[in-house]
Amino acid sequence: QSALTQPASVSGSLGQSITISCTGSSSDVGRDKFISWYQQHPGKAPKLVIFDFTHRPSGVSNHFSGSMSGNTASLTISGLQAEDEADYFCSSYTNNSALYVFGIGTKVTVL
Amino acid sequence: QVHLQESGPGLVKPSQTLSLTCTVSGGSMRSDNYYWSWIRQPAGMGLAWIGHIYSSGSTSYSPSLKSRVSISTDTSKNQFSLKLSSVTAADTAVYYCARIKWKDAYTMDVWGQGTTVTVSS
Repeated sequence: QSALTQPASVSGSLGQSITISCTGSSSDVGRDKFISWYQQHPGKAPKLVIFDFTHRPSGVSNHFSGSMSGNTASLTISGLQAEDEADYFCSSYTNNSALYVFGIGTKVTVL
Repeated sequence: QVHLQESGPGLVKPSQTLSLTCTVSGGSMRSDNYYWSWIRQPAGMGLAWIGHIYSSGSTSYSPSLKSRVSISTDTSKNQFSLKLSSVTAADTAVYYCARIKWKDAYTMDVWGQGTTVTVSS
């Protein structure tokens, strides 16, 4: 059960859009597509921003969006804001084995 | 609004058993809609799933920790607990409890604030 692959860091200017990838395999990400994305500010608990690879929880800004292609899930942040600077983690749940795996995390920097 | 709060010793000696409790308020753990999980995060590193438990008592654990971990519930107190045996310095981390909403693609929708556990003599 290996961690999902994410870029270590992504940066963008205020107002720009960035995309973070999360790559696994046909045994996890590509199998059931139970993908979630979490935002974590320093010293804080993770906060859910995307579930079921494309759905936003109530109260989460619509400048967060998710998508999937094959064994790779993606999180796009449109119109970067200063408060979007944080770490972002993807996770995948595999139903037949009842196992979770997280991505290694991506640090987003707003320039 | 459901709230989760971790509690337990912040310092554990090597080879001993780490024990943490998560208290759920604002909702019942007896609901069939949720699983209850533990996740940890070593300083400066990523999140690592430890395991989870369902209202029926069925559990699932990370293969890398399975031989040392146990998760249980006390629904009368609306709490669930983590026990990790034979700890080493590598088990030093912030430990989070979280609620899993299985109907929403098994997402972890509510998290506790986390508690820091240090393994040291």
